[in-house]
Amino acid sequence: DQQVKQNSPSLSVQEGRISILNCDYTNSMFDYFLWYKKYPAEGPTFLISISSIKDKNEDGRFTVFLNKSAKHLSLHIVPSQPGDSAVYFCAASASGNQFYFGTGTSLTVIP
Amino acid sequence: GAGVSQTPSNKVTEKGKYVELRCDPISGHTALYWYRQSLGQGPEFLIYFQGTGAADDSGLPNDRFFAVRPEGSVSTLKIQRTERGDSAVYLCASSSGTGDGGELFFGEGSRLTVL
Repeated sequence: DQQVKQNSPSLSVQEGRISILNCDYTNSMFDYFLWYKKYPAEGPTFLISISSIKDKNEDGRFTVFLNKSAKHLSLHIVPSQPGDSAVYFCAASASGNQFYFGTGTSLTVIP
Repeated sequence: GAGVSQTPSNKVTEKGKYVELRCDPISGHTALYWYRQSLGQGPEFLIYFQGTGAADDSGLPNDRFFAVRPEGSVSTLKIQRTERGDSAVYLCASSSGTGDGGELFFGEGSRLTVL
């Protein structure tokens, strides 16, 4: 039972444009959400997080939006750069213990 | 060390053998997690330690899997009677406390191949 879903396995974007990665979840108890970025042969690295008391969190080129009523979050990267090409995972937890991960979206930024 | 260290980075074993995977978390991190990632999938939760005790082991698939963290630092994931379906990358992560407000720092993983 996949509690966190990333329905787009891949995304291609032109350099300089906006990348939008989407994530849906089913558990209404989730109150903390994170995005991770993963390069081949490396472990995932933390990118940005948001708690359920917020609907937006911004860090440089990265912004995460949370829509609790729709149980949906998205990661916006603008402007996209070739170095952003990686697999992006969203993750969610309830009360900060076990984290549930989505299946990932492979982003390719075309120079 | 500066980051989460996992050994071995690669392990090839035969079906039925016993395997141990080691994780050395970031110094001072009280929380330690084991995840398993199969090809094309996201990390799948296995077990979570807070200090020396397993706070949540609900993700362990069966009793062939066991993990310990005897001194609240290094952890070992143990797999008995390995099966081909156990082949995956086993990821370890640590954090400074509960996940709320503290992200997980992952190691590079141990790739297990069961022949």
